[in-house]
Amino acid sequence: DAGITQSPRYKITETGRQVTLMCHQTWSHSYMFWYRQDLGHGLRLIYYSAAADITDKGEVPDGYVVSRSKTENFPLTLESATRSQTSVYFCASAAGTGNYEQYFGPGTRLTVT
Amino acid sequence: AQKITQTQPGMFVQEKEAVTLDCTYDTSDQSYGLFWYKQPSSGEMIFLIYQGSYDEQNATEGRYSLNFQKARKSANLVISASQLGDSAMYFCAMREVSGNTGKLIFGQGTTLQVKP
Repeated sequence: DAGITQSPRYKITETGRQVTLMCHQTWSHSYMFWYRQDLGHGLRLIYYSAAADITDKGEVPDGYVVSRSKTENFPLTLESATRSQTSVYFCASAAGTGNYEQYFGPGTRLTVT
Repeated sequence: AQKITQTQPGMFVQEKEAVTLDCTYDTSDQSYGLFWYKQPSSGEMIFLIYQGSYDEQNATEGRYSLNFQKARKSANLVISASQLGDSAMYFCAMREVSGNTGKLIFGQGTTLQVKP
């Protein structure tokens, strides 16, 4: 299906485990983003990527790792999950900067116990 | 540093009436874009409207319009003729063009409830 997808949609994991959230887009958009949404904070940028093999930190990158070997995929890995990483994670993509809309995936609700 | 402020955590509006959701921003850039997104209870993020800093006219998209006051650094969303389906959280966001990163900075959001 065309668009931007995230998997899994829901995930429960234990403190200390590694978990990877997947993001896939079919538009060949250059730019991709990972945000987390927490009550009282809106959406905060974790990492972003301007193209394959080009990534950079956002506002809250600690504890997260990203890679982008292919344009269409942008996985987010929590190397050692902590309870403070319990959140809803959104992936987004955009064709460019300026007035280009960001298209969001459906989100992944992650609970760290 | 760029910042978005939405001072209304929650709003109520009667069905069929208009409502204004406030958004102020802070940036030192001359070139930037302002966005509004809607997030219904189902959780997805829906793009509503965009305003560029150099656009002379206020943006409109159907029942949505953006009241852009550059000198005041405000970008309020106006929803006309509210419908029950407008009940949702609304986020204002800004993108600075300099740096060419494409990243958005979001406000904390405003929850709108439309009463029948």
